[in-house]
Formats: sequence, C-alpha cells, structure tokens
Amino acid sequence: SYVLTQPPSVSVAPGETARITCGENNIGSKSVHWYQQKPGQAPVLVIYYDSDRPSGIPERFAGSNSGNSATLTISRVEAGDEADYYCQVWDSSSDHPVFGGGTKLTVL
Amino acid sequence: QVQLQESGPGLVEPSQTLSLTCTVSGASISSGTYSWSWVRQPAGKGLEWIGHIYISGTTNFNPSLKSRVAMSMDTSRNQFSLRLSSVTAADTAIYYCARAHGSTSIRWFDPWGQGTLVTVSS
Repeated sequence: SYVLTQPPSVSVAPGETARITCGENNIGSKSVHWYQQKPGQAPVLVIYYDSDRPSGIPERFAGSNSGNSATLTISRVEAGDEADYYCQVWDSSSDHPVFGGGTKLTVL
Repeated sequence: QVQLQESGPGLVEPSQTLSLTCTVSGASISSGTYSWSWVRQPAGKGLEWIGHIYISGTTNFNPSLKSRVAMSMDTSRNQFSLRLSSVTAADTAIYYCARAHGSTSIRWFDPWGQGTLVTVSS
C-alpha cells in the first residue's frame, strides 16, 4: 500500500518557481498524476504520466519523477495558480487510486 | 468535450441511504476501457476515493467503505450511480464523479464533475 506524502503548504512570490513534492519509497517506479483544485471548484488534471500535460494546461506546469520523490514545478507563478495540489498514483495490486494529502500553494 | 454532472439530495438523515447519480455527456459510458468513479472531500480535507465501476459491471470499493457502498450503471441513460447506506455525519462531504482512464496499472481522473454537497443531518 502506498502513502503519498506532500508538504501541507508552499509559498512563492509571483514570477518565481514553485516546487511541490510527492514522496513515497520508490515512487519513481510508478506513474504520478497531479491535480489542481481552486477554492470551491472540482479538481482539474494538470499533469499525467509523470510529465505529460493535458491540452489547455500551460507549459509553465511541469512534472518529474525519480527515486523516492515526484515533483510538480510551476514556473513564473501567477496569482491564479493559488490552489490546492494533489498527487495521485494507481495501486495496481488493489486496483484503486492513492491520493496525496494535498499541498496548498500560496502566492505571496 | 466530455462532461460529468452529479445529482441527488443535498440532505440525508442519519442512518439513511445516500443516493447520487452522475450523468455523462459527450461520450458513451459503454465505450472504451474507462472506469467510472466516485471521490469525496469533507470540508477542508483531502480527496477520498469511494469506488469505481467498469462497463463490465465489475466494481471496486474503498475497503473502509466497502460494507456500505454499491454502484451501478444505466447505459440507456448514460449514467452511473452511488449508494452509501447507514450514513453518519462523517459522510458529510462534497461528492465528485470522475472518469478514470489509462491502463490497468496506470490510471488518472479526467474529467471531474463539479461536485455536489451532501450533508448528513436530522
């Protein structure tokens, strides 16, 4: 069983780069997906297969995954990026998803 | 463009059964290798997977909820449904339906419904 560990909060100034991590032993062997959830809204997929972006997601959003940590990187952060971000993997042995606890991104 | 929309009562009494329906537009729930899922989120908390159903009728549920959950599909209406029995205040949450796709070992959720708030209270 997987337990995905995310920092509760990350703060960054506008125009800077935000990095949100998702940790689990040997997570690099899994595919990690990321969701953005703005206040009062449903989650939106921003990264899948570690680093692929769905259509409509800005290139400022990038993902990487290696070793024991996956990272969502948001470049040139804007006020509109302020949201909760969740990582997710699929536990194929149990056929169910595992979500991280979520990270609140604050744009200072 | 695929869209999902949850519907159902916003208020359920304790010990009763919560019933929600997700209507899918822009795609047939009968096609592809998707799984159709329910995820909930208590106020101020993270995402909790409830379960999913495949077009084959195969279901899989969160072990912590398994004894109280049932799911079904109505392909003629392009809908799938959730039933959660013996609810308590702890089941108060926003309930989302979502489509999961990918392979048997790599799946992600896209799109999601807008969510519906269900409050358990007398």
